[in-house]
Amino acid sequence: KQEVTQIPAALSVPEGENLVLNCSFTDSAIYNLQWFRQDPGKGLTSLLLIQSSQREQTSGRLNASLDKSSGRSTLYIAASQPGDSATYLCAVRHMDTGRRALTFGSGTRLQVQP
Amino acid sequence: NAGVTQTPKFQVLKTGQSMTLQCAQDMNHEYMSWYRQDPGMGLRLIHYSVGAGITDQGEVPNGYNVSRSTTEDFPLRLLSAAPSQTSVYFCAIKGVNTEAFFGQGTRLTVV
Repeated sequence: KQEVTQIPAALSVPEGENLVLNCSFTDSAIYNLQWFRQDPGKGLTSLLLIQSSQREQTSGRLNASLDKSSGRSTLYIAASQPGDSATYLCAVRHMDTGRRALTFGSGTRLQVQP
Repeated sequence: NAGVTQTPKFQVLKTGQSMTLQCAQDMNHEYMSWYRQDPGMGLRLIHYSVGAGITDQGEVPNGYNVSRSTTEDFPLRLLSAAPSQTSVYFCAIKGVNTEAFFGQGTRLTVV
């Protein structure tokens, strides 16, 4: 059974710092990996989607990498801002056909101090 | 979260009551699913559907029913609500090679 772990569970940094959020998964037979942002009391907003054949994806100040063989992904946030404060979730999609289900980590709760 | 509409946003039920959580999409994606989110446990898959007329169980299906009569709608039914079903419920949609899109969630409390 696929398990997804996110470390750290919570992180507090001063504004302007570059930071890295970690995601690891136990079964490397994934189709893709997706990073989400969730604000308190809100739904999930997709940030980046990395296909299994890709090594990284970039969007603005965000960069996500994927090392499928070692079962790891990182989300790099450059020059953090208070508006980046949220919970960040990673999720992997199984290779098994049909289900297209996502297995989620428990998230990293990020607080960026002004 | 354009494209996925969940209703209601909040609901309080008494133990034993039944209700239906609605999910509607306007993106014509074939894959729809329901997740529940509990503190410290991430999101867990309840049921999913790969197209109209096809549904299947996810990781935590007990106590829930689904149906998919159209591409647009995927309602989740609680047959007899229990306090353990207090949670936030999310509906998600996905195309063949697209990212997953989530609704805003339904916060359910069973007393």
